[in-house]
Amino acid sequence: AQKVTQAQTEISVVEKEDVTLDCVYETRDTTYYLFWYKQPPSGELVFLIRRNSFDEQNEISGRYSWNFQKSTSSFNFTITASQVVDSAVYFCALSHYNAGNNRKLIWGLGTSLGVNP
Amino acid sequence: DTEVTQTPKHLVMGMTNKKSLKCEQHMGHRAMYWYKQKAKKPPELMFVYSYEKLSINESVPSRFSPECPNSSLLNLHLHALQPEDSALYLCASSPYERESTGELFFGEGSRLTVL
Repeated sequence: AQKVTQAQTEISVVEKEDVTLDCVYETRDTTYYLFWYKQPPSGELVFLIRRNSFDEQNEISGRYSWNFQKSTSSFNFTITASQVVDSAVYFCALSHYNAGNNRKLIWGLGTSLGVNP
Repeated sequence: DTEVTQTPKHLVMGMTNKKSLKCEQHMGHRAMYWYKQKAKKPPELMFVYSYEKLSINESVPSRFSPECPNSSLLNLHLHALQPEDSALYLCASSPYERESTGELFFGEGSRLTVL
């Protein structure tokens, strides 16, 4: 079954700490995409990254970095030197082909990150 | 500031009311989406419009009626809703016709309460 697991429901850190949000996925597809979205208290979901299953290179964007490992089916997200503005719910998502041969997103349940000053 | 604008931000309605949620984007995207999000849950896809035509309906009850008057506007008409329909309704747009292909641009949502 296609599935995305974000085992950490809530994480609380103090500003400037590094924090890693875990994402483990299951899929039978050989080609798939993985995503991370951020949802701050204002409500809108903000796209952070899309990763193709064929590209296992890690990615860094400012304080954000992503570690994609097909061997462990994980796509973890690290925030370095966290800031209060990083407080949000973070969703990991997997694209897969459903029974109708259409690609859909499977979302994890999200990790709520609180960064305290 | 988000480039997808949703109105109203908050809406309270009775089960016999008729109301509409509105969404507007000016990024020239070909696809627009409606999602429903309950508290502490991920968003659930409801409808997708591609080139102003309904391309996906995720078996949504008929009390929700989408409309795409033009490529920039998306409406969700609400009628005879139930209290369990209370949720955050998110609109999104994308250059892609499938939510799973690329980046989705979301609005801040309309928080609906059904009494």
